[in-house]
Amino acid sequence: DQQVKQNSPSLSVQEGRISILNCDYTNSMFDYFLWYKKYPAEGPTFLISISSIKDKNEDGRFTVFLNKSAKHLSLHIVPSQPGDSAVYFCAAIEETSGSRLTFGEGTQLTVNP
Amino acid sequence: NAGVMQNPRHLVRRRGQEARLRCSPMKGHSHVYWYRQLPEEGLKFMVYLQKENIIDESGMPKERFSAEFPKEGPSILRIQQVVRGDSAAYFCASSLTGIREQFFGPGTRLTVL
Repeated sequence: DQQVKQNSPSLSVQEGRISILNCDYTNSMFDYFLWYKKYPAEGPTFLISISSIKDKNEDGRFTVFLNKSAKHLSLHIVPSQPGDSAVYFCAAIEETSGSRLTFGEGTQLTVNP
Repeated sequence: NAGVMQNPRHLVRRRGQEARLRCSPMKGHSHVYWYRQLPEEGLKFMVYLQKENIIDESGMPKERFSAEFPKEGPSILRIQQVVRGDSAAYFCASSLTGIREQFFGPGTRLTVL
């Protein structure tokens, strides 16, 4: 049972344009969401997070949007840079039952110069 | 380097041998998590430990796998009698408070021949 889904295995954008990565979840008890970036042969790096009491959180070029009614969140990167090329993982926590992260399958972002 | 440390980075074992993976959390962090990433998949939670205690082992296979986080020294993930299906990247993460953001190490890539 895949509770967190990233339906796009890959995304390709031009440098300077916006990258939009999407994530859907099925467990309505999830109340905290995170995005991680991962380069090959490295561990995931924390990017940005959002609590379920908010619908937007912004940090520099990265903005995460949460639509609770649709059980959907998205990560916007603007402007996109070639160094952003990596696999992006969405993750969720159900805080009342522990702190384990439930990850999506990841989306490979390629930013072309 | 104040980040999460994992060693070895690469480990090759023959079927039936034991694998020991070590994780030193970030300085000041007493919460440690282990995740496994099989090829072409997202990360899957295995176990959550706090100094000397296993808090949540709901993701651990019932046999051959064990984890500990002693009062002194690194956390150890131990896999006995490894099989080819154990080949994966094993990531350790640590947290200051045990809630929300977790910070990952570079991973140990286990190959079972």
